[in-house]
Amino acid sequence: QQQVKQSPQSLIVQKGGISIINCAYENTAFDYFPWYQQFPGKGPALLIAIRPDVSEKKEGRFTISFNKSAKQFSLHIMDSQPGDSATYFCAALSSNDYKLSFGAGTTVTVRA
Amino acid sequence: DTAVSQTPKYLVTQMGNDKSIKCEQNLGHDTMYWYKQDSKKFLKIMFSYNNKELIINETVPNRFSPKSPDKAHLNLHINSLELGDSAVYFCASSARLVPAYEQYFGPGTRLTVT
Repeated sequence: QQQVKQSPQSLIVQKGGISIINCAYENTAFDYFPWYQQFPGKGPALLIAIRPDVSEKKEGRFTISFNKSAKQFSLHIMDSQPGDSATYFCAALSSNDYKLSFGAGTTVTVRA
Repeated sequence: DTAVSQTPKYLVTQMGNDKSIKCEQNLGHDTMYWYKQDSKKFLKIMFSYNNKELIINETVPNRFSPKSPDKAHLNLHINSLELGDSAVYFCASSARLVPAYEQYFGPGTRLTVT
């Protein structure tokens, strides 16, 4: 049973546009929410992460928005570039656990 | 300087064979993992080792046997390979077991069983 639900499965965005990926969870014990970026033929790489004590975290063009009451979090990629074309995974973890629960992934294609 | 490395990158073999995948991390982490990524890109944890001790074995067939000779290495041996074992296998590491924040993944080994 997947503990983190991710949508959409794929999206296409024009260069300069905004990519938005959404995730939802049920386990209220989760207290760490990372996003991983995976390019074809490579391993997932930690992109950005958030704890539930903040509602937003920004690193460059990547922003995580977190809604604790709705148990949802999202990744926004601003000014999307062709080099951002990759698969993005949301994940969740409890601080007293050791198993990352991954979403199913979103393949983002940025058209030049 | 590669943090988590795996060999081989590609592995093509026939059903029934036995094969191994090697993983090394130079981050000084205590905890290492094996993940399986299926054809739909879904990532699922298989094993976790902490200081050379097995912590997680996620309903993985006993044909899969991890071995950790030291904290920096975690190998995966697979016996009697089956078609359904075809997938990409990722090694990962984290500084500690709990909490397992910031997991660093290797480049993956694409296993194809024919």
